[in-house]
Amino acid sequence: EDQVTQSPEALRLQEGESSSLNCSYTVSGLRGLFWYRQDPGKGPEFLFTLYSAGEEKEKERLKATLTKKESFLHITAPKPEDSATYLCAVQGVGDSSYKLIFGSGTRLLVRP
Amino acid sequence: KAGVTQTPRYLIKTRGQQVTLSCSPISGHRSVSWYQQTPGQGLQFLFEYFSETQRNKGNFPGRFSGRQFSNSRSEMNVSTLELGDSALYLCASSFGTGMNSPLHFGNGTRLTVT
Repeated sequence: EDQVTQSPEALRLQEGESSSLNCSYTVSGLRGLFWYRQDPGKGPEFLFTLYSAGEEKEKERLKATLTKKESFLHITAPKPEDSATYLCAVQGVGDSSYKLIFGSGTRLLVRP
Repeated sequence: KAGVTQTPRYLIKTRGQQVTLSCSPISGHRSVSWYQQTPGQGLQFLFEYFSETQRNKGNFPGRFSGRQFSNSRSEMNVSTLELGDSALYLCASSFGTGMNSPLHFGNGTRLTVT
């Protein structure tokens, strides 16, 4: 069964303190891995799609990387406005290829 | 370009009632998916529609149903509401269903069942 596990559940950082969020996945063939950001009271906002091991994508202070078993979301010199819940999701090629399987998210708090 | 629009933003219903939620996708997007988000289960897939046809359905009871109109707008209906149906219902649209068509979500409808 396709599965996504995110760690840590919650992360507190000081402004400027870089760190990484982890997304481990089990899927029978990866069609795509997606990162989303969700602010309180809002829907998930699309950040990145990664398709194959070794791929990297960057956007401002965020960089997503992918291996055969996990993805990392690296946050460089974060600012308070980066505080949000970050969700990872996978789309496999098997019977459940029509839907995204989401992890439970990492709640990030960046203090000034 | 306008994003995915969901109405209403908030709903309070009592057990046994039914509810209809509405979703307008991004212009040009033909695929609409619905997800339920709860603190305990996270985001769970409900249905996917493409060109007015339900292509896939998640593991939810038959009380949950939906449809898509010719202009790609979609509605979902929940009948005989239960307390456990309280959740954030998210609609997402994409241009197609291929690898290069990520889902773009609306801000959801927060349903509270009392």
